[in-house]
Amino acid sequence: QAVLTQPASLSASPGASASLTCTLRSGINVGTYRIYWYQQKAGSPPQYLLRYKSDSDKQQGSGVPSRFSGSKDASANAGILLISGLQSEDEADYYCMIWYSSAVVFGGGTKLTVL
Amino acid sequence: EVQLVESGGGLVQPGGSLRLSCAASGLTFSSYSMNWVRQAPGKGLEWVSYVSSGSGTIYYADSVKGRFTISRDNAKNSLYLQMNSLRAEDTAVYFCARDYDLDVWGQGTTVTVSS
Repeated sequence: QAVLTQPASLSASPGASASLTCTLRSGINVGTYRIYWYQQKAGSPPQYLLRYKSDSDKQQGSGVPSRFSGSKDASANAGILLISGLQSEDEADYYCMIWYSSAVVFGGGTKLTVL
Repeated sequence: EVQLVESGGGLVQPGGSLRLSCAASGLTFSSYSMNWVRQAPGKGLEWVSYVSSGSGTIYYADSVKGRFTISRDNAKNSLYLQMNSLRAEDTAVYFCARDYDLDVWGQGTTVTVSS
């Protein structure tokens, strides 16, 4: 089982909100980790969006709009990227990441379609 | 403006070697740890290696351990990845990314391993 699992795809309408999940493997407690989120548009390198561990330990990437925010669902052992007020330009692949056992681990990515 | 520019990619035969470079500008390079991350065609992100600011700590993904070597020259504001014993599955775009947060990425350089 992968360390981080993301749904392969998600669709949402312009103006709506999208909640992207990143589920940690059983036995890896989401409360322990900073969850990082990256956006990658077609043909471009990934862009750092934010990191979230708790409300007192979080960071927004430089220039990243506040409609991108992070949270956790402890009951689901998952990190969440919430994008509010969806715009067509938000259509992209989104990757979560953690540092685990002295290595960077990425989720498989979620392709967000805005239609 | 912080910039990371990768170079050194190309076509190489299986079993061959290649050395990638990442030139940094607009930052105090010696203050930051650095990473290499790759992305195979049509696939997700895969972390490759990490080096601390002073080169005292180095980590590798299991998939490249023993074949790839990360290094840096703080006097030249440059990061390197020496890749030996290359395999077809090493074919990817290789990105350098800054710091523990991977908060700044280069545009990437393409490595193709094929006979």
